Amino acid sequence: KAGVTQTPRYLIKTRGQQVTLSCSPISGHRSVSWYQQTPGQGLQFLFEYFSETQRNKGNFPGRFSGRQFSNSRSEMNVSTLELGDSALYLCASSLLEGRSSNQETQYFGPGTRLLVL
Amino acid sequence: EDKVVQSPLSLVVHEGDTVTLNCSYEVTNFRSLLWYKQEKKAPTFLFMLTSSGIEKKSGRLSSILDKKELFSILNITATQTGDSAVYLCALAGGTSYGKLTFGQGTILTVHP
Repeated sequence: KAGVTQTPRYLIKTRGQQVTLSCSPISGHRSVSWYQQTPGQGLQFLFEYFSETQRNKGNFPGRFSGRQFSNSRSEMNVSTLELGDSALYLCASSLLEGRSSNQETQYFGPGTRLLVL
Repeated sequence: EDKVVQSPLSLVVHEGDTVTLNCSYEVTNFRSLLWYKQEKKAPTFLFMLTSSGIEKKSGRLSSILDKKELFSILNITATQTGDSAVYLCALAGGTSYGKLTFGQGTILTVHP
């Protein structure tokens, strides 16, 4: 079974621009979570989508948004980029549907490394 | 708010050594604790623990959870250079399904 895929793998943008990152989950997984990883803050939760609905959101400004499509693929958008948005953006998928902890294992994609100049 | 603290933050050992990595946590409504290994890119899943006292094993790696004292340990025996990585502890808890709270990670370096 193919793993989680993310595109693009690397991205260079300038301040003020916007960016869209894409994530395709493992086949059959309907929950997709997004994380930001930086050397200073570590891995921080951005949001989670299930069945095209955002179920949970982390403590990030409104410039960070996302969506999920009917095939479970997800996109994340960052508008008005700031230097501090430079990070590795990781997407993870899981079988989590209801409230069963057995399905909470998240499998991560390779990430998109974003550099904002 | 859920909190995960890992120790040590970094560790340097030689091949063949045994290491123990620690993860302590604070959470309301614990659901599970997960361990991941991160080399250059994506964290790869190692273990998921939900019950106290039950050891999970995979080759030279093992992990156990203590829900009373709120900690978990990850043991690696007979370390190899390929074990060099960042080991991450993550917590699933509260009512936020789909969210993992991560610790800072332990950087393990194994020298030949």
